Amino acid sequence: DAKTTQPTSMDCAEGRAANLPCNHSTISGNEYVYWYRQIHSQGPQYIIHGLKNNETNEMASLIITEDRKSSTLILPHATLRDTAVYYCIVTLGGVYNQGGKLIFGQGTELSVKP
Amino acid sequence: EAQVTQNPRYLITVTGKKLTVTCSQNMNHEYMSWYRQDPGLGLRQIYYSMNVEVTDKGDVPEGYKVSRKEKRNFPLILESPSPNQTSLYFCASSLLGWYQETQYFGPGTRLLVL
Repeated sequence: DAKTTQPTSMDCAEGRAANLPCNHSTISGNEYVYWYRQIHSQGPQYIIHGLKNNETNEMASLIITEDRKSSTLILPHATLRDTAVYYCIVTLGGVYNQGGKLIFGQGTELSVKP
Repeated sequence: EAQVTQNPRYLITVTGKKLTVTCSQNMNHEYMSWYRQDPGLGLRQIYYSMNVEVTDKGDVPEGYKVSRKEKRNFPLILESPSPNQTSLYFCASSLLGWYQETQYFGPGTRLLVL
């Protein structure tokens, strides 16, 4: 599996956009970029994922560089409830027999401040 | 509401006293999995199940058992708990267990073994 590198921690002002970077320079062609977050020891929560194109949903936007070696998760208007650890995960596509395991790194601890 | 539930949420026990942590999902998912989370080590997969009666070891299966007799339930069994199994446990599920699928996590079970 490709590995990811994220900053250990970041701060963001409430109401501002939070931009969380992730480096995945060894990603291969069939690997997806997934983002999950974990709020204070709760179960991890899916945010968004993508393969090549930028993606947007009701929670966030995902910007993937053209060479796919890095990506940025954007929370457009961060609130205090977005304070959490954010995990960038790279996973294989369509590999049915490898257990569907998610490899969580250390993630980025995002603190949204009033 | 689509969800993964775990019981109990908190448990204090003593070394050697068998215990079971239940996990249930109401999304008709084929794939279910157990993780443990420890400070500095992140989330690590214990066991997973691709379907009823099909289970396999994850990265840290020692000291644990699982069973999958019904699609919706995937209990985690500690036959003889030891203090090094003190941890935060999460159950997860996804539709088929393919890597590109979203995984849904339960709320967690915090276990303390004395």
